[in-house]
Amino acid sequence: EVQLVQSGTALKKPGESLRISCSVSGYTFTSSWIHWVRQTPGKGLEWMGRIDPNDSYTSYGPSFQGHVAISADKSTSTAYLSWSSLKASDTAIYYCAMSTVTTAYDYWGQGTRVTVSS
Amino acid sequence: EIVLTQSPDFQSVTPKEKVTITCRASQSLSSLHWYQQKPGQSPRLLIKSASQSISGVPSRFSGSGSGTDFTLTINGLEAEDVATYYCHQSTTLPPTFGGGTKVEIK
Repeated sequence: EVQLVQSGTALKKPGESLRISCSVSGYTFTSSWIHWVRQTPGKGLEWMGRIDPNDSYTSYGPSFQGHVAISADKSTSTAYLSWSSLKASDTAIYYCAMSTVTTAYDYWGQGTRVTVSS
Repeated sequence: EIVLTQSPDFQSVTPKEKVTITCRASQSLSSLHWYQQKPGQSPRLLIKSASQSISGVPSRFSGSGSGTDFTLTINGLEAEDVATYYCHQSTTLPPTFGGGTKVEIK
């Protein structure tokens, strides 16, 4: 069974750094892209970026380029989403998702709720 | 960036009624997918590549369309189908999502 298990809820202050994780099991980690998707009540679902775990090649959405970093550790089959300086506007639920045979997102993590507040 | 416009935003439907959700793209697409998101849950893939069914998804869900106009149909709404439905294009970067259609039981 394919599973994407994400790290837990995060409560942070503006300016702090954060790294959330997505651990993949039941599928060859290096065989598919891992995507990160943000969900907010105001903007809905937004694609943030993706990584090819095989070579760590990344692509980012224009709204997220330069503000977040996506990385992957093949040894632990884990993908990461990082911020060096959080803003209140980063408050959202973040999902990792995996595309396998096609470009549809076949599998999703359970989501990580991030709250940024002073 | 390709914009996906879903309609309606909200639909209140009696059980067993047919539900039709449309997704219109600002450019022609080669890859369009549909997801279901129940309250408090992650999105779930329902239909891929406009009309391809997904293992484990009830057969009452179907997709059609091409180019810029796509449709998700639920043939006979059941209580467990209460959710928000999203279309998603992966034809060009960045991938984008529609604004969602919330379906409720009347």
